[in-house]
Amino acid sequence: GESVGLHLPTLSVQEGDNSIINCAYSNSASDYFIWYKQESGKGPQFIIDIRSNMDKRQGQRVTVLLNKTVKHLSLQIAATQPGDSAVYFCAENSAAGNKLTFGGGTRVLVKP
Amino acid sequence: DTGVSQDPRHKITKRGQNVTFRCDPISEHNRLYWYRQTLGQGPEFLTYFQNEAQLEKSRLLSDRFSAERPKGSFSTLEIQRTEQGDSAMYLCASVRDPVETQYFGPGTRLLVL
Repeated sequence: GESVGLHLPTLSVQEGDNSIINCAYSNSASDYFIWYKQESGKGPQFIIDIRSNMDKRQGQRVTVLLNKTVKHLSLQIAATQPGDSAVYFCAENSAAGNKLTFGGGTRVLVKP
Repeated sequence: DTGVSQDPRHKITKRGQNVTFRCDPISEHNRLYWYRQTLGQGPEFLTYFQNEAQLEKSRLLSDRFSAERPKGSFSTLEIQRTEQGDSAMYLCASVRDPVETQYFGPGTRLLVL
């Protein structure tokens, strides 16, 4: 995944607005993708996943879009709430070993 | 709480000491993964087990690192002769075949002085 060191890209969003977080993945052979949310001092928490035979999947207040042509993944959060403030990671799962490769993360700050 | 537990949650040690971390996966999850996460980065794969068999190790896992899962349930990760560069969050995740979603524990944060 792309490394951004200590300076994570940050998305500041007003409470109630929609958030869009983008991710570029690296392996065209990856067939499964997951978005995780990570709060400070905690482990990654599963949000939503999508298989490579789909281009869109919706959950509760979240939607994941997959564009295999340009190897791009996005997470849309509707009506962003203060509890959505966290770092969000995309992860790809290639068939070999089923291990996850994570992107660099985006910090979401929700302003009240 | 995902059901994956890790112990200890925090560990401070001096350079050169050995440390051991434990992971208890979700019951009946047959695959268990270890990842390492440094500040500002996403988790990086270290190794994984299918039941008690260790099937893959990353080149990040130097000879000082060893992992076991003796009975196919809990797993331990040991770091010998710790170095300051080992300071990181060590995360464990588990999966039940054929589902692919990995559920993570809270992690063990290691600080090597």
